[in-house]
Amino acid sequence: DQQVKQNSPSLSVQEGRISILNCDYTNSMFDYFLWYKKYPAEGPTFLISISSIKDKNEDGRFTVFLNKSAKHLSLHIVPSQPGDSAVYFCAASGKTSYDKVIFGPGTSLSVIP
Amino acid sequence: DTEVTQTPKHLVMGMTNKKSLKCEQHMGHRAMYWYKQKAKKPPELMFVYSYEKLSINESVPSRFSPECPNSSLLNLHLHALQPEDSALYLCASSQEDGGQGSETQYFGPGTRLTVL
Repeated sequence: DQQVKQNSPSLSVQEGRISILNCDYTNSMFDYFLWYKKYPAEGPTFLISISSIKDKNEDGRFTVFLNKSAKHLSLHIVPSQPGDSAVYFCAASGKTSYDKVIFGPGTSLSVIP
Repeated sequence: DTEVTQTPKHLVMGMTNKKSLKCEQHMGHRAMYWYKQKAKKPPELMFVYSYEKLSINESVPSRFSPECPNSSLLNLHLHALQPEDSALYLCASSQEDGGQGSETQYFGPGTRLTVL
């Protein structure tokens, strides 16, 4: 049973436009959410996170929105750049560092110049 | 500095070989992790070390043997692997704040393992 879902395996966006990557989760005990970006043959790179007490966190071109009642979060990238082309993993964990981080299946983003 | 290093980058081994993967971080993190990632799949947790003690083993076969010699180093000893164990093996570390809150894990670049 997938606790973290990313229903779009891939997404194509024109350079300069907004990329919106979506993530849904089923476990209401999740307390902390992260987005990782992964290039081929490299480890995931931490991008941005959000705690369940917030509904928005912004860092430069990246904004994560959390809707706890809908168990949904999204990553917005504005403006999208070709270097943003990568696989994006949504991840979630519980309150303590002993809770596992559960990764979604990933969304492959292609930003077209 | 948020760097986690892993060696080797690539490893090819036979089913009777014994090899080790190494991971190092100098961020003062006290939690370290091994993940396995197959192509087009998310990382799967294998082991967690907290303060140099094994705290989570996700029912990993005994042909994978983790070791944490000190707070900066994490090894994964491999013996009698199967071809289906071929994957990208990722190491990660996090602060470990004694359970006060969730933490970001920082990943190394991975070791690409091929078992023949």
